[in-house]
Amino acid sequence: AQSVTQPDIHITVSEGASLELRCNYSYGATPYLFWYVQSPGQGLQLLLKYFSGDTLVQGIKGFEAEFKRSQSSFNLRKPSVHWSDAAEYFCAVVAHDYKLSFGAGTTVTVRA
Amino acid sequence: ETGVTQTPRHLVMGMTNKKSLKCEQHLGHNAMYWYKQSAKKPLELMFVYSLEERVENNSVPSRFSPECPNSSHLFLHLHTLQPEDSALYLCASSQERAGGTTHEQFFGPGTRLTVL
Repeated sequence: AQSVTQPDIHITVSEGASLELRCNYSYGATPYLFWYVQSPGQGLQLLLKYFSGDTLVQGIKGFEAEFKRSQSSFNLRKPSVHWSDAAEYFCAVVAHDYKLSFGAGTTVTVRA
Repeated sequence: ETGVTQTPRHLVMGMTNKKSLKCEQHLGHNAMYWYKQSAKKPLELMFVYSLEERVENNSVPSRFSPECPNSSHLFLHLHTLQPEDSALYLCASSQERAGGTTHEQFFGPGTRLTVL
Protein backbone atom coordinates (compact mmCIF):
# COMPACT_ATOMS: atom_id res chain seq x y z
CA ALA A 1 0.00 0.00 0.00
CA GLN A 2 1.08 3.53 -0.65
CA SER A 3 2.21 5.69 2.25
CA VAL A 4 3.44 9.20 2.82
CA THR A 5 6.05 10.35 5.32
CA GLN A 6 6.59 13.91 6.39
CA PRO A 7 9.71 13.73 8.56
CA ASP A 8 9.36 17.18 10.11
CA ILE A 9 6.53 17.62 12.60
CA HIS A 10 7.22 21.29 13.22
CA ILE A 11 9.35 23.90 11.44
CA THR A 12 9.99 27.46 12.55
CA VAL A 13 11.19 29.93 9.97
CA SER A 14 11.80 33.67 9.97
CA GLU A 15 9.67 35.88 7.79
CA GLY A 16 11.43 36.43 4.50
CA ALA A 17 13.51 33.28 4.81
CA SER A 18 13.17 30.29 2.54
CA LEU A 19 11.12 27.24 3.45
CA GLU A 20 11.40 23.62 2.44
CA LEU A 21 9.04 20.89 3.63
CA ARG A 22 9.97 17.30 3.03
CA CYS A 23 7.70 14.56 1.76
CA ASN A 24 8.61 10.97 0.93
CA TYR A 25 6.23 8.47 -0.52
CA SER A 26 6.19 4.75 -0.87
CA TYR A 27 4.75 3.39 -4.08
CA GLY A 28 6.07 1.25 -6.93
CA ALA A 29 4.83 3.30 -9.86
CA THR A 30 4.65 7.04 -10.41
CA PRO A 31 2.02 8.34 -8.05
CA TYR A 32 -0.16 11.39 -8.21
CA LEU A 33 1.19 13.80 -5.60
CA PHE A 34 -0.36 16.74 -3.83
CA TRP A 35 0.43 19.38 -1.27
CA TYR A 36 -2.39 20.86 0.79
CA VAL A 37 -2.33 23.66 3.34
CA GLN A 38 -4.63 24.01 6.33
CA SER A 39 -4.91 27.28 8.20
CA PRO A 40 -6.25 27.19 11.76
CA GLY A 41 -9.96 26.45 11.83
CA GLN A 42 -10.10 25.87 8.10
CA GLY A 43 -10.31 22.99 5.70
CA LEU A 44 -7.55 21.88 3.38
CA GLN A 45 -6.64 23.99 0.35
CA LEU A 46 -4.75 22.52 -2.59
CA LEU A 47 -1.39 24.23 -3.14
CA LEU A 48 -0.16 22.20 -6.08
CA LYS A 49 -0.21 18.77 -7.69
CA TYR A 50 1.95 16.54 -9.81
CA PHE A 51 0.55 14.02 -12.26
CA SER A 52 3.21 13.77 -14.97
CA GLY A 53 5.53 15.87 -17.12
CA ASP A 54 7.76 18.60 -15.76
CA THR A 55 9.02 17.51 -12.36
CA LEU A 56 9.08 21.07 -11.02
CA VAL A 57 5.54 22.13 -10.29
CA GLN A 58 4.37 25.65 -9.58
CA GLY A 59 1.48 26.23 -7.23
CA ILE A 60 -0.46 29.00 -5.62
CA LYS A 61 0.85 31.48 -3.05
CA GLY A 62 4.37 31.29 -4.48
CA PHE A 63 4.95 27.64 -3.62
CA GLU A 64 6.66 25.08 -5.81
CA ALA A 65 7.50 21.41 -5.44
CA GLU A 66 9.89 19.08 -7.16
CA PHE A 67 9.22 15.42 -7.87
CA LYS A 68 12.34 13.28 -7.61
CA ARG A 69 11.67 9.71 -8.58
CA SER A 70 15.12 8.49 -7.50
CA GLN A 71 14.51 9.76 -3.98
CA SER A 72 10.76 9.06 -3.85
CA SER A 73 10.35 12.63 -2.74
CA PHE A 74 8.08 15.57 -3.44
CA ASN A 75 9.44 18.44 -1.38
CA LEU A 76 7.64 21.76 -1.12
CA ARG A 77 9.53 25.03 -1.27
CA LYS A 78 8.95 28.74 -1.02
CA PRO A 79 11.77 31.25 -1.53
CA SER A 80 10.49 33.90 0.89
CA VAL A 81 7.98 33.11 3.61
CA HIS A 82 5.24 35.51 4.68
CA TRP A 83 3.61 35.55 8.10
CA SER A 84 0.40 34.34 6.47
CA ASP A 85 2.15 31.09 5.50
CA ALA A 86 1.95 29.91 9.10
CA ALA A 87 -0.24 26.82 8.82
CA GLU A 88 -0.15 23.05 8.66
CA TYR A 89 0.99 21.47 5.43
CA PHE A 90 0.02 18.02 4.21
CA CYS A 91 1.55 15.93 1.50
CA ALA A 92 -0.75 13.37 -0.11
CA VAL A 93 -0.48 10.61 -2.66
CA VAL A 94 -2.99 8.80 -4.83
CA ALA A 95 -1.76 5.52 -6.18
CA HIS A 96 -4.95 4.40 -7.83
CA ASP A 97 -8.65 5.28 -7.88
CA TYR A 98 -9.62 8.11 -5.62
CA LYS A 99 -7.98 7.22 -2.33
CA LEU A 100 -5.82 9.98 -0.99
CA SER A 101 -3.24 8.94 1.59
CA PHE A 102 -2.06 11.84 3.70
CA GLY A 103 1.10 12.40 5.65
CA ALA A 104 0.84 13.38 9.30
CA GLY A 105 1.48 17.01 8.43
CA THR A 106 4.12 19.63 9.15
CA THR A 107 3.25 22.68 11.22
CA VAL A 108 5.00 25.84 10.08
CA THR A 109 5.52 28.72 12.47
CA VAL A 110 6.70 32.04 11.08
CA ARG A 111 8.54 34.39 13.41
CA ALA A 112 8.85 38.09 12.79
CA GLU B 1 -22.21 29.84 -1.66
CA THR B 2 -19.17 28.51 -3.42
CA GLY B 3 -16.96 25.48 -3.01
CA VAL B 4 -17.75 23.02 -0.25
CA THR B 5 -19.71 24.11 2.81
CA GLN B 6 -20.22 22.28 6.07
CA THR B 7 -22.65 22.83 8.92
CA PRO B 8 -22.46 23.15 11.78
CA ARG B 9 -18.92 24.42 12.19
CA HIS B 10 -18.86 23.38 15.85
CA LEU B 11 -20.85 20.73 17.65
CA VAL B 12 -20.83 19.57 21.24
CA MET B 13 -22.85 16.48 22.03
CA GLY B 14 -23.31 13.95 24.76
CA MET B 15 -22.73 10.28 24.24
CA THR B 16 -26.45 9.53 24.06
CA ASN B 17 -27.33 12.27 21.59
CA LYS B 18 -28.17 11.91 17.92
CA LYS B 19 -26.90 14.60 15.61
CA SER B 20 -26.09 15.03 11.93
CA LEU B 21 -23.34 16.78 10.04
CA LYS B 22 -24.16 18.31 6.69
CA CYS B 23 -21.97 18.89 3.67
CA GLU B 24 -22.91 20.63 0.44
CA GLN B 25 -20.76 21.05 -2.64
CA HIS B 26 -21.44 23.76 -5.22
CA LEU B 27 -18.88 22.54 -7.74
CA GLY B 28 -20.92 20.12 -9.81
CA HIS B 29 -18.78 17.20 -8.65
CA ASN B 30 -19.97 13.61 -8.61
CA ALA B 31 -17.96 12.16 -5.72
CA MET B 32 -17.99 13.12 -2.04
CA TYR B 33 -15.97 12.04 0.96
CA TRP B 34 -15.93 12.13 4.75
CA TYR B 35 -12.61 12.35 6.57
CA LYS B 36 -11.76 12.36 10.26
CA GLN B 37 -8.90 14.54 11.42
CA SER B 38 -7.64 13.86 14.93
CA ALA B 39 -4.82 15.71 16.60
CA LYS B 40 -1.36 14.53 15.55
CA LYS B 41 -2.74 11.82 13.25
CA PRO B 42 -3.02 11.68 9.47
CA LEU B 43 -6.39 12.29 7.93
CA GLU B 44 -8.48 9.16 7.95
CA LEU B 45 -10.81 8.45 5.06
CA MET B 46 -14.16 7.32 6.42
CA PHE B 47 -16.61 7.12 3.52
CA VAL B 48 -16.64 7.69 -0.21
CA TYR B 49 -19.68 8.22 -2.39
CA SER B 50 -19.41 8.13 -6.14
CA LEU B 51 -22.48 8.96 -8.20
CA GLU B 52 -24.47 8.80 -4.96
CA GLU B 53 -23.45 5.22 -4.23
CA ARG B 54 -21.23 4.32 -1.33
CA VAL B 55 -18.05 2.83 -2.70
CA GLU B 56 -15.88 2.88 0.39
CA ASN B 57 -16.46 2.27 4.03
CA ASN B 58 -13.13 2.29 5.75
CA SER B 59 -13.99 0.05 8.70
CA VAL B 60 -15.89 2.87 10.36
CA PRO B 61 -17.97 2.00 13.47
CA SER B 62 -21.70 1.76 12.90
CA ARG B 63 -22.31 4.73 15.20
CA PHE B 64 -21.35 6.78 12.12
CA SER B 65 -23.92 6.52 9.35
CA PRO B 66 -23.48 8.39 6.06
CA GLU B 67 -26.22 9.46 3.69
CA CYS B 68 -25.89 10.87 0.19
CA PRO B 69 -29.34 11.86 -1.13
CA ASN B 70 -27.93 13.50 -4.27
CA SER B 71 -24.60 14.44 -5.78
CA SER B 72 -24.51 17.80 -4.01
CA HIS B 73 -25.31 16.76 -0.45
CA LEU B 74 -23.67 14.46 2.04
CA PHE B 75 -24.65 13.81 5.64
CA LEU B 76 -22.98 12.05 8.51
CA HIS B 77 -25.45 10.85 11.12
CA LEU B 78 -24.00 10.43 14.59
CA HIS B 79 -25.41 8.22 17.34
CA THR B 80 -24.05 7.15 20.73
CA LEU B 81 -20.59 8.46 20.07
CA GLN B 82 -17.59 8.06 22.32
CA PRO B 83 -15.25 10.77 23.61
CA GLU B 84 -12.51 9.44 21.32
CA ASP B 85 -14.72 10.39 18.36
CA SER B 86 -14.01 14.05 19.12
CA ALA B 87 -12.22 15.40 16.07
CA LEU B 88 -12.51 17.65 13.05
CA TYR B 89 -14.71 16.05 10.41
CA LEU B 90 -13.92 17.17 6.90
CA CYS B 91 -16.01 16.77 3.81
CA ALA B 92 -14.51 16.82 0.32
CA SER B 93 -15.69 16.47 -3.24
CA SER B 94 -14.10 15.64 -6.58
CA GLN B 95 -15.02 15.07 -10.18
CA GLU B 96 -14.65 11.53 -11.41
CA ARG B 97 -14.46 10.87 -15.11
CA ALA B 98 -14.72 7.75 -17.22
CA GLY B 99 -11.32 6.11 -17.35
CA GLY B 100 -10.08 7.76 -14.21
CA THR B 101 -10.48 10.59 -11.79
CA THR B 102 -8.75 13.89 -11.50
CA HIS B 103 -7.98 12.88 -7.90
CA GLU B 104 -8.15 16.54 -6.95
CA GLN B 105 -10.34 16.89 -3.92
CA PHE B 106 -11.84 20.11 -2.66
CA PHE B 107 -12.37 20.34 1.07
CA GLY B 108 -14.89 22.07 3.25
CA PRO B 109 -13.89 23.93 6.44
CA GLY B 110 -14.86 21.03 8.67
CA THR B 111 -17.05 20.49 11.70
CA ARG B 112 -15.26 20.51 15.05
CA LEU B 113 -17.01 17.80 17.07
CA THR B 114 -16.64 17.41 20.81
CA VAL B 115 -18.22 14.41 22.52
CA LEU B 116 -18.68 14.75 26.25
